[in-house]
Amino acid sequence: DTAVSQTPKYLVTQMGNDKSIKCEQNLGHDTMYWYKQDSKKFLKIMFSYNNKELIINETVPNRFSPKSPDKAHLNLHINSLELGDSAVYFCASSPGTGSQPQHFGDGTRLSIL
Amino acid sequence: QQQVKQSPQSLIVQKGGISIINCAYENTAFDYFPWYQQFPGKGPALLIAIRPDVSEKKEGRFTISFNKSAKQFSLHIMDSQPGDSATYFCAASSSGTASKLTFGTGTRLQVTL
Repeated sequence: DTAVSQTPKYLVTQMGNDKSIKCEQNLGHDTMYWYKQDSKKFLKIMFSYNNKELIINETVPNRFSPKSPDKAHLNLHINSLELGDSAVYFCASSPGTGSQPQHFGDGTRLSIL
Repeated sequence: QQQVKQSPQSLIVQKGGISIINCAYENTAFDYFPWYQQFPGKGPALLIAIRPDVSEKKEGRFTISFNKSAKQFSLHIMDSQPGDSATYFCAASSSGTASKLTFGTGTRLQVTL
């Protein structure tokens, strides 16, 4: 059983389109995250939700909108995609907030043509 | 501002040798220091973590050494194996609801035969 699963694994689309990435965790965790890994492999947090409540929003353009329908799911919708959005997006979860181990999904590779 | 500095950027070690990756941090509020291992096409996986109340933690072939006064910590991989070839990230976080993991820039480790 995959603990943190993301769909799709690959996303190829044109500039200006809108796309969504879905994430689900079956670990019973309360906290979920979105990270962006750029071409140099640098990992940076974008958002964090705890029990469906947004707790971290790291100065991400408002074209990015996370949604957490329940504490096991965290989706990421991106409007008006730009070339600079090309990256690998990782979802992660942890038992709670604070300094806790985070479990990552295998990522969604987004390529903007 | 990069709060966690990681070196080296890449490392080649012979099978059976010791791999050492170093990290330095600036924020004295950090109280959790994990190391993540990432294989191509996969998400980062938690390898080992330490809190500042101990100076060393060992799990199998992997050891974290922590120097609070110097604000440095390092990962030692003993008896390095070709299967250890991956990218390694150090990270740090502080306690609190809005706590987030700040990652180092990664070290690409290659273990040769």
